[in-house]
Amino acid sequence: GAVVSQHPSWVICKSGTSVKIECRSLDFQATTMFWYRQFPKQSLMLMATSNEGSKATYEQGVEKDKFLINHASLTLSTLTVTSAHPEDSSFYICSAPRQGDQPQHFGDGTRLSIL
Amino acid sequence: GENVEQHPSTLSVQEGDSAVIKCTYSDSASNYFPWYKQELGKRPQLIIDIRSNVGEKKDQRIAVTLNKTAKHFSLHITETQPEDSAVYFCAASSGNQFYFGTGTSLTVIP
Repeated sequence: GAVVSQHPSWVICKSGTSVKIECRSLDFQATTMFWYRQFPKQSLMLMATSNEGSKATYEQGVEKDKFLINHASLTLSTLTVTSAHPEDSSFYICSAPRQGDQPQHFGDGTRLSIL
Repeated sequence: GENVEQHPSTLSVQEGDSAVIKCTYSDSASNYFPWYKQELGKRPQLIIDIRSNVGEKKDQRIAVTLNKTAKHFSLHITETQPEDSAVYFCAASSGNQFYFGTGTSLTVIP
């Protein structure tokens, strides 16, 4: 079964709206979570690494003020797409590794459609 | 940083035939190589992984080989079935952070 829960699974909203996506580790504590963006027929592109209790680390080219990441607890990380525009439409997926284990466990992803 | 290349980008095989997907990586510090299967609109699912201290690993119809010297690793699927149709991603990691290949869209023709 799923070990990482992500919601919502699908969001459709108007341009200018801010959208929050939640990622929860279900039966383990995740000090680190990863946020990816995936455009159609493309690979997963790492956007940022969220760290519990400290600031997220963003990949080059990812706007920090646009994609706000908060890792408030050992089981929850959130990604907020602020003032979303059509070009932000994409599939966003979070993942987390279990402590002491390398495989990443992915959430179900959030399909974001900005009209 | 790490650079992972994956080939081919698309692959079509007849049901029952074998499929091979190849990846290369650049960082010799990478020591963990997972393979993920992703169906349309769904999350990537880990199907097999290999660590740098092992040259080959097999799980039923799926096998992975690793050549550390050449810095490449491959996924082998034997006796392919239509439900194997999906996009497959390789990845390389030297710690928690993963670097993904560009993906291979596999189609198994019944």
